[in-house]
Amino acid sequence: QVQLQESGPGLVKPSETLSLTCAVSGYSISSGYYWGWIRQPPGKGLEWIGSIYHSGSTYYNPSLKSRVTISVDTSKNQFSLKLSSVTAADTAVYYCARQKEMTNNWFDPWGQGTLVTVSS
Amino acid sequence: QSALTQPRSVSGSPGQSVTISCTGTSSDVGGYNYVSWYQQHPGKAPKLMIYDVSKRPSGVPDRFSGSKSGNTASLTISGLQAEDEADYYCCSYAGSYTLVVFGGGTKLTVL
Repeated sequence: QVQLQESGPGLVKPSETLSLTCAVSGYSISSGYYWGWIRQPPGKGLEWIGSIYHSGSTYYNPSLKSRVTISVDTSKNQFSLKLSSVTAADTAVYYCARQKEMTNNWFDPWGQGTLVTVSS
Repeated sequence: QSALTQPRSVSGSPGQSVTISCTGTSSDVGGYNYVSWYQQHPGKAPKLMIYDVSKRPSGVPDRFSGSKSGNTASLTISGLQAEDEADYYCCSYAGSYTLVVFGGGTKLTVL
């Protein structure tokens, strides 16, 4: 079955760039679907960060757009997130997920999530 | 503040039914039949329970059902079981600018 796994540093300093990768197994990214990033601050709700199609087309949350870059590497069957100029408010569990479409946008499955803490 | 409004908490006894509401606007929930619901147990990733307002993915019990009226979507869980105790989030398409919005989440307690 389709599985997603996030990886990356668990600690990032303020003002630096957060970088995460989501490795996909059991499904070829090039076969379709969109691929998204969602985050969840400790004790709070879910926030969509952005999504990418295998062609490289990207879609971002307007509130984060100026700091977010999502890219895809079909040869490695993975996609990545970069969030620049991070602050403590960016501390969260970051999830990657497969997304049906940008309109019909349900997410399934999800990765297990990775906690990223922004602190000096 | 989340774009979609959900009650902070709901509760019910085993065997009973509960309904969780998700209120948006005509620009999101009311404008499209693209509402999904997710279940999240503590320390776990969210799990898709309902998509396209009322469709259930394979493997989700038919005790879970979804509906929509105007700008409010609802998730109903019938025959409550202890394992249903979790946080539930709604999600909707929100137009070509905002794209994706989530609700603030509802904590379901099975008494």
